[in-house]
Amino acid sequence: GAVVSQHPSWVICKSGTSVKIECRSLDFQATTMFWYRQFPKQSLMLMATSNEGSKATYEQGVEKDKFLINHASLTLSTLTVTSAHPEDSSFYICSARSDHGYTFGSGTRLTVV
Amino acid sequence: QKEVEQNSGPLSVPEGAIASLNCTYSDRGSQSFFWYRQYSGKSPELIMSIYSNGDKEDGRFTAQLNKASQYVSLLIRDSQPSDSATYLCAVNLPSNYQLIWGAGTKLIIKP
Repeated sequence: GAVVSQHPSWVICKSGTSVKIECRSLDFQATTMFWYRQFPKQSLMLMATSNEGSKATYEQGVEKDKFLINHASLTLSTLTVTSAHPEDSSFYICSARSDHGYTFGSGTRLTVV
Repeated sequence: QKEVEQNSGPLSVPEGAIASLNCTYSDRGSQSFFWYRQYSGKSPELIMSIYSNGDKEDGRFTAQLNKASQYVSLLIRDSQPSDSATYLCAVNLPSNYQLIWGAGTKLIIKP
């Protein structure tokens, strides 16, 4: 079946630094990648939608200069959290859309200290 | 605004009984409906998808869709403690392929 590999699974970084999260589709081409953020005991919040080779579409309230999304190929999309602050600590999940439906990465737990 | 509503629970069900999870949605144009299970600290995993009115069965799981009532449900037969998780209902917006998520229902199966 379709698999999306997401790395790292967890990361702790200092406030003010940047963190890059990668999502790679292993056996299919992900034309569309969705990036979500999930706070404890809450549902998934869509941050942005990216299509291969074009700029990401960000949801209202999500700072595009802070959350940089790159979808340069059909198998790789990245989310970079720039100048991270403690309030950015969350669970970040990617989801790729393909003929198989929606396939989720395993998530990245980001803790900013 | 497109909305998907779920009872947050927790819903407590005895082991071996049937767990019934419900979801309503606001956009009549929605075409695809999904149930995901999410364990604490993990990403969602697909349990069932349903696209047409009626029932769809897969093992112990049955999804039911009623587009006229804008209602989709998930039944879990012979509930097991391992079914304890949060169940998320998601509805597809055909215009941009986005999924609209419910808040999730926390299900607890008591041994």
